Amino acid sequence: EAQVTQNPRYLITVTGKKLTVTCSQNMNHEYMSWYRQDPGLGLRQIYYSMNVEVTDKGDVPEGYKVSRKEKRNFPLILESPSPNQTSLYFCASSLRWRGQGSSGANVLTFGAGSRLTVL
Amino acid sequence: KQEVTQIPAALSVPEGENLVLNCSFTDSAIYNLQWFRQDPGKGLTSLLLIQSSQREQTSGRLNASLDKSSGRSTLYIAASQPGDSATYLCAVFAGGTSYGKLTFGQGTILTVHP
Repeated sequence: EAQVTQNPRYLITVTGKKLTVTCSQNMNHEYMSWYRQDPGLGLRQIYYSMNVEVTDKGDVPEGYKVSRKEKRNFPLILESPSPNQTSLYFCASSLRWRGQGSSGANVLTFGAGSRLTVL
Repeated sequence: KQEVTQIPAALSVPEGENLVLNCSFTDSAIYNLQWFRQDPGKGLTSLLLIQSSQREQTSGRLNASLDKSSGRSTLYIAASQPGDSATYLCAVFAGGTSYGKLTFGQGTILTVHP
């Protein structure tokens, strides 16, 4: 089944303890991205990647790192989590970041979400 | 910086009504606009994608239009059903030098009563 898989789905951690949220897709997608969703603020983009070894900042990158060493994986790293990073996180991917003939190539597929609580 | 606004924030309608959800954006230099549906506690599901060169897209009872020059998109839902109850989000993919950036509206919470 074509999907975007995030792990863990739920995590409670403490301030300062490094953690990684993994994101993996099995659709050979070039474009991958991370978002956080907060009440009253909606979904905001953290980082995105157009392809392997190509990443760039979204609107709220502070406190996060990413890497794209393989096409299928795009982990989100919180080096020193703080309570203001408590949120619902989503990973998404699409075949291309720019459509080349087919608008379907830009359609985003989202993971089920990872709920992170930092105490 | 792109800003995306959705109106109304919430909408409650009886089953069978046709309804319109609105999305506006401040920067017309977009690559495409996508509409998503989010069910409580779930991820997002893509509904429709409109490229910047297109005026509308249709899928079943859904029709999305785009007026790039005025910075507006609408999602029309025909003959609404209780199963349509969800949060509807629009998102704009930036064009120009900001390619790859995606900005979401805050969503419209739709409730369809039987």
